[in-house]
Amino acid sequence: DIQMTQSPSTLSASVGDRVTITCRASQSISTWLAWYQQKPGKAPKLLMYRASSLESGVPSRFSGSGSGTEFTLTISSLQPDDFATYYCQQYDSYIFTFGPGTKVDIK
Amino acid sequence: QLQLQESGPGLVKPSDTLSLTCTVSGGSISSSRYYWGWIRQPPGKGLEWIGSIYYSGSTYYNPSLKSRVTISVDTSKNQFSLKLNSVTPADTAVYYCARLGYTSSGQHGAFDIWGQGTMVTVSS
Repeated sequence: DIQMTQSPSTLSASVGDRVTITCRASQSISTWLAWYQQKPGKAPKLLMYRASSLESGVPSRFSGSGSGTEFTLTISSLQPDDFATYYCQQYDSYIFTFGPGTKVDIK
Repeated sequence: QLQLQESGPGLVKPSDTLSLTCTVSGGSISSSRYYWGWIRQPPGKGLEWIGSIYYSGSTYYNPSLKSRVTISVDTSKNQFSLKLNSVTPADTAVYYCARLGYTSSGQHGAFDIWGQGTMVTVSS
């Protein structure tokens, strides 16, 4: 099974900061990597798919990169609405695995 | 606009079977483009994929849950369902149903539309 890790587990930042979250897969997944944002009490929201494709309606301050085993999600200028938990998720042969999450909170 | 809605009991006894249904509205579950899935989240913890199904009935399950999970589809009702047997308190979670997204290049490997989730507690 493919395992996913994320770092950091918690990130404290201020509005306007550039924020980067890293996700690593235990084996190569090409670019089959997605990112989600989740706020308390709400369902996850898809931000990025295929590692670097922005989901429709998601602000352009979000970007994704990477391939193989290492991936990053970058928020270019953190906004008040961006304080949330972020999950990566891999897809391999119809099997999905989520990362443990990164909580972005207010510094 | 496509919407998904989970329904089912909020309380299940240990050793019983958890049964949930996801109703799809605003679109057809029989579209050849889409797979559909169940994901759960224990209180205060991360997301865990349970399994996925195609309208034809093809299924894929999380290996760690495979022995206890059955996902089925009812195209006449535009619904798909989850059954998890022999539940324990560790199965207490918010259960989400979701659609696996699709682009002009094919499936994109991510869940793009989610239901609001339903809390299921396993307790006697």
